[in-house]
This record gives sequence, C-alpha cells and structure tokens, in this order.
Amino acid sequence: GIQVEQSPPDLILQEGANSTLRCNFSDSVNNLQWFHQNPWGQLINLFYIPSGTKQNGRLSATTVATERYSLLYISSSQTTDSGVYFCAGRGSRLTFGEGTQLTVNP
Amino acid sequence: SAVISQKPSRDICQRGTSLTIQCQVDSQVTMMFWYRQQPGQSLTLIATANQGSEATYESGFVIDKFPISRPNLTFSTLTVSNMSPEDSSIYLCSVEPGGTEAFFGQGTRLTVV
Repeated sequence: GIQVEQSPPDLILQEGANSTLRCNFSDSVNNLQWFHQNPWGQLINLFYIPSGTKQNGRLSATTVATERYSLLYISSSQTTDSGVYFCAGRGSRLTFGEGTQLTVNP
Repeated sequence: SAVISQKPSRDICQRGTSLTIQCQVDSQVTMMFWYRQQPGQSLTLIATANQGSEATYESGFVIDKFPISRPNLTFSTLTVSNMSPEDSSIYLCSVEPGGTEAFFGQGTRLTVV
C-alpha cells in the first residue's frame, strides 16, 4: 500500500509565526486531503487538493502531484491552530500520515 | 459535502462488555468507512461497509471483534466486542460522497477499564 510521510512530527511556534507542513507519498494518490484534529478528536476538513494551490484565510495548500508531495502553509499562527494536522491520500484505501503535532504558544 | 452524526461521543466501559457506535449520514452513500485511532497514533481503516453486503475488513481486523451493520444507505453501526483496555481508542466513521472528498463523524472516544 501507499506510504505517507509527514514532516515535521512536532512543531512549536510563537503566536504570529508562519509554518510549513509537508506530506510525501510513496506513489501516486487520488483525493489528497489535509485535516486538523482538534483536542476533542474531531477531524476538520481543511483542503481537498489533488493538485494545484488553494487558500482559505490564513491557510493555504499546494500539491505537486507529479512529484508526489503536498505542503500546508499556516500564516500568522494563533493558539487555536494548535492540534494535530494530518494529510491523507487514496490509493486502494484512504491512507493517513502520522501527523504533525502543532503547538502555538501565546 | 456530507454531515455525519456519530454517537456516543465518548464512553467508559468495563472490560468484557461490548459497545455499539452509530453513524447517521444526511445523504445516501454507497460506502461507509470505519477507522480506529489509538492514543497518539494516526487513523487506521477497520472496514468498509456496503449496504446489502458483508463489510470488508482490513488486515488485522475481524468480524467477530468488530461486527458492522449497514441496514440502509444512510446508517451504519460498529460494535466493539468483548472489550479490553487495548481497545481504548477514538473510533470514527467516514463517507466519501461521489468518491472524492472524505468527511468524518465527530468520533467516539472509548475508554475501557
């Protein structure tokens, strides 16, 4: 099956800082997505981005499908951005990376 | 898009008992997916539930431990049977309308004592 590698595994920021999270795939995937898991365990859809670039407020994402990676950018981070960020891609099944644990300190 | 109502949101159960988790979707979908997230880990697919047929289980998961029902195109249940502390996890259901973007229920945080 597809392997999904996320980096960094942990990230600590001061409020207002910018960050980039990366997701690498071992093979071509369909339906690439980014999620944010809040402290209560709920998965929030951030982006559905099989290719190209999308922006939503302070967040944006870019997927380069031919090179099998995706990036999530968080600008002007806030404490409410804390949590775990997952990317996932579909091969024969939807496969998740191990996540990036983001902590934003005030 | 899709809105999924999952319940219970959390439960604390005695070992040896069973818990049934329910998911209701606001639209008809062919497949529903059940995932497990063990503490500090990523999501792992347990099984895919099709209406009118037996669920398809992933390697490492068996029907006797995780029986699934799919009585119609908007509803599914997952039962965690004969629970042990190792079953303490977050369980999530998911749908992919049109075979594209995945949407998840709120999750069920299970603690087995």
